[in-house]
Amino acid sequence: AQTIHQWPVAEIKAVGSPLSLGCTIKGKSSPNLYWYWQATGGTLQQLFYSITVGQVESVVQLNLSASRPKDDQFILSTEKLLLSHSGFYLCAWSLQGPGEQYFGPGTRLTVL
Amino acid sequence: DAKTTQPDSMESTEGETVHLPCSHATISGNEYIYWYRQVPLQGPEYVTHGLQQNTTNSMAFLAIASDRKSSTLILPHVSLRDAAVYHCILRATGGNNKLTFGQGTVLSVIP
Repeated sequence: AQTIHQWPVAEIKAVGSPLSLGCTIKGKSSPNLYWYWQATGGTLQQLFYSITVGQVESVVQLNLSASRPKDDQFILSTEKLLLSHSGFYLCAWSLQGPGEQYFGPGTRLTVL
Repeated sequence: DAKTTQPDSMESTEGETVHLPCSHATISGNEYIYWYRQVPLQGPEYVTHGLQQNTTNSMAFLAIASDRKSSTLILPHVSLRDAAVYHCILRATGGNNKLTFGQGTVLSVIP
């Protein structure tokens, strides 16, 4: 069975500090991977997607970056956090090609 | 991706069958209809999807109008666990597999 794990579960960070969020998928090789973000009370927005190791496409510009260092790992990061980065970050995976996406448990980020 | 319209909220009682409507008048021929649901502080959960024919799985029945301009997600015998925000999303084949979430329908279930 496939499992998706995100870390950390929650984070409280200061404005201007760096951030790194992680996501791993076990039990599935070469998945498509996605990062989504949801502001408190807002709608879910896709930020990045990746179809293979080392390749990441940006969908929405939020002064964030993403990388895929391994087939089963997706990293979201920034060097300087903004207040507007607060929210709920979700990682998702799907099979190659069109298909349903499966979401992880999410990371709740609070920037103060 | 084309736009969908859903009611802001609906209410049901445990054990009833719920019909969640979705309007997508400008749907394109290559767009699938996807349904996800989300509870607070959790990631969305895939419910079902379809293109033209009605579909059914262990969670729900998706009824698609013959002109594809609307669809209805039917949840039989709802329980408290089915209380969530239900999103109706159109997605074309190809591209970045992007899902565009809206506000969805908040389904409340009364014991």
